[in-house]
Parts: sequence; C-alpha cells; structure tokens
Amino acid sequence: DAGITQSPRYKITETGRQVTLMCHQTWSHSYMFWYRQDLGHGLRLIYYSAAADITDKGEVPDGYVVSRSKTENFPLTLESATRSQTSVYFCASTEGSGAKWDTQYFGPGTRLTVL
Amino acid sequence: GENVEQHPSTLSVQEGDSAVIKCTYSDSASNYFPWYKQELGKRPQLIIDIRSNVGEKKDQRIAVTLNKTAKHFSLHITETQPEDSAVYFCAASWAAGTASKLTFGTGTRLQVTL
Repeated sequence: DAGITQSPRYKITETGRQVTLMCHQTWSHSYMFWYRQDLGHGLRLIYYSAAADITDKGEVPDGYVVSRSKTENFPLTLESATRSQTSVYFCASTEGSGAKWDTQYFGPGTRLTVL
Repeated sequence: GENVEQHPSTLSVQEGDSAVIKCTYSDSASNYFPWYKQELGKRPQLIIDIRSNVGEKKDQRIAVTLNKTAKHFSLHITETQPEDSAVYFCAASWAAGTASKLTFGTGTRLQVTL
C-alpha cells in the first residue's frame, strides 16, 4: 500500500481558490484514477488516465482538471473550488496488464474542505 | 456506463452470525466484480473479487457468488467477528476506450455486535 501516496492528507480552502491534489505511485502502473467519496454516493470516478498524456473524463468531471506528464504522477486540480467539492478524494492505480489488470489499489485519501 | 445498486445500506449482526450483502449491475458486458472493505478513516482495500467465468469464489470466511443471467452478485461473510465491522463496497467493471473502469455501489455499513 505504501506504493501509492497522496498529498496533502487534509486541506482546507476557500470558495474560488485553486487547489491541487497530488497522487504518486511507485509501481509504474499504467492506469490511474481519481474518485471522490461522499456519504450516500459511494465512490464516483472523476477522471482517469491510461498512460502519460492520456486522460479521459469519468462520471463527475465538472470543475476538475487533470494532467499526467509522468507515469508516476496524476495531479487533480480544482480550478475554482466550490462548497460542493468538499469531499474525500481517493487516487487509485492498476497495472493494466496480466491477470490482475483490473484490480485497483487506492491511496490513503485527501480530505478536502471548501469553506 | 454502468449502474450498480447495493443493499442493504446498513447491516447489524451478532458475532458469529453470517452477513450477506447484495449488488445488482446493469451492463451485461461487465466481467469483473471486486469487493472492497473500508474501515473508518482508511482507504478502500480489496478483499475478494470474481470474474464472469466463475460462479463462486471463497477465501476463508468470505465468499462471493455471481449470477450473470440475473446480473447480481453477493458477498457472504461467515462467523463474523468485531473486526469485520466496516463499510463494504461492491463494484462492477465497464470498458470505454483503453481502460477498464469500476462503478461502485453506495456501500453497506456492517456492524458486528458482541
């Protein structure tokens, strides 16, 4: 589990501010994902990436931007934070090949509060 | 995409009893169904998974069953223990483009009482 990390672990910001959440994995996994977790909604996919420089929208992408210039990093940016983006954000990765290619491994999460 | 429904939302059992959590999915092309356990304040962790070519899979006290015709799958925990108390999520895979993605159920909070 130490192979995928997120920073910061906790963040408080104000409405309208730009915030970037970091995700780093040391497994050289091809695929990386960003989810948000809210009570009553489970885990919802925001964005995902199949490889460096390849990203695509998930279920709830509005208000978020991602990039992936290096395989190991997948930052998530809230361009202008809103209160509705208060949530716990999880990054995940998967190998993308072989028998276990579907299994996703989660980072420890970032708890974001937007005031 | 995929739609996954999970029931019940909360489940309380006595220690030693069995617990069953059920999920249904909508996309008949889904072929991978993992279950995650999430303890309070922690990350979701995979506890068991099943693929569409298998009807049942067991790992010690936990088992998962899959009925592709009915598009539902279930998690069974036998001889429950206090440390089984957590939120459990089911998920189903779906594919678009180059990646296989997961859609999660809304979770079941399991409480094991002494």
